Amino acid sequence: EVLLVESGGGLVKPGGSLRLSCAASEFTFSNYNMDWVRQAPGKGLEWVSSISSTSSFINYADSVKGRFTISRDNAKNSLYLHMNSLRVDDTAVYFCARENSFYGLDVWGQGTTVTVSS
Amino acid sequence: QSVLTQPPSASGTPGQRVTISCSGSRSNIGSNSVYWYQQLPGTAPKVLIYSNNQRPSGVPERFSGSKSGTSASLAISGLRSEDEADYYCATWDDNLSGPHVIFGGGTKLTVL
Repeated sequence: EVLLVESGGGLVKPGGSLRLSCAASEFTFSNYNMDWVRQAPGKGLEWVSSISSTSSFINYADSVKGRFTISRDNAKNSLYLHMNSLRVDDTAVYFCARENSFYGLDVWGQGTTVTVSS
Repeated sequence: QSVLTQPPSASGTPGQRVTISCSGSRSNIGSNSVYWYQQLPGTAPKVLIYSNNQRPSGVPERFSGSKSGTSASLAISGLRSEDEADYYCATWDDNLSGPHVIFGGGTKLTVL
């Protein structure tokens, strides 16, 4: 079964840092662009960042630019999101998703919760 | 404030037909495919419609999508209680760093 599993969420104080991971299995990870999408409590979906299959192209939402860094390790079938200078409004469930130019974001992980609070 | 505009809520009774709209602009919906995602409570989103009107295998024929100009819509016929969920439209947009996905604000569907 094609699977994405996120980890690394938790409670962090404002200004702190966290690294999220997303482990992919049962598909050729290196063939796909990948995205991070977040959902604040009771709110809608917000695209956060995307990275191309070879890491050549990287893009960020304005709300996280300069604070978050997306990366991937194709040898380990893993996607990462390094989050620095965290703010209360970064509190959300963070999903990793596989990007398919035809099918859209066609595979999603179950999400990992990040809570930024003092 | 989302770039794509959806009604925040919709409702219907079992068996009814419900339509959810999604309004964008020439640079996003007007130039790209539209996708619809269904998010059941406490779960990750799932692709319901891709390429404006195509259903992935396993999605019932009750769900249909359409697009005209800078707007799109999702129709659900023969409404069932298990359709109660949040529905998001999405498409691609372009900024200085390249294309990325954008979402509508979401529509909460209630089955009365």
